[in-house]
Amino acid sequence: DARVTQTPRHKVTEMGQEVTMRCQPILGHNTVFWYRQTMMQGLELLAYFRNRAPLDDSGMPKDRFSAEMPDATLATLKIQPSEPRDSAVYFCASGLVLWTGEGSNQPQHFGDGTRLSIL
Amino acid sequence: EDKVVQSPLSLVVHEGDTVTLNCSYEVTNFRSLLWYKQEKKAPTFLFMLTSSGIEKKSGRLSSILDKKELFSILNITATQTGDSAVYLCAVSPGNTGKLIFGQGTTLQVKP
Repeated sequence: DARVTQTPRHKVTEMGQEVTMRCQPILGHNTVFWYRQTMMQGLELLAYFRNRAPLDDSGMPKDRFSAEMPDATLATLKIQPSEPRDSAVYFCASGLVLWTGEGSNQPQHFGDGTRLSIL
Repeated sequence: EDKVVQSPLSLVVHEGDTVTLNCSYEVTNFRSLLWYKQEKKAPTFLFMLTSSGIEKKSGRLSSILDKKELFSILNITATQTGDSAVYLCAVSPGNTGKLIFGQGTTLQVKP
């Protein structure tokens, strides 16, 4: 079965350090999403890419977060500098989105997440 | 503002019981509603609903959508301990494919 792969699975680091999370989407999917999950806020959309182009990153703090997709097999989410309030599980998901016209999009498939703890 | 509300937030039942989970939504340009099950790790896809009144079924799980009243239900019959999880409802507005999630319903099935 095709899967979304995220690394690392766990990350513990000190406040102020740079954190980079990586995602390999499912081959053939044209849209990649980054979500963050916390107990208080649930699952929130941070940013997403269509055919590697960033479309919307309004869900993430622009001063410290950045998301890129250097090629079709890799999406990255960086936090610099990290803060304790960034502690959460970060999920990457990919899907096949029609973007135009009628018809159904394919459901998104999620990676196992990166559990981030900022001390 | 687009919003998805699930109820109840948590539920404890015994094996063999039937449960109904609720999801109501307010969203601009509704495209589809999805249900996911989340255990320890990634949310895993259960159902995608786009049309009113058509039941989707998979084993003991079923779901239906009412686009007039803006809600969906997820039914689980003859529950088992393996059904214990957080059930997430999400709505996809427009053509972007992005998902807006509800808070989730935590289901615990006791033996």
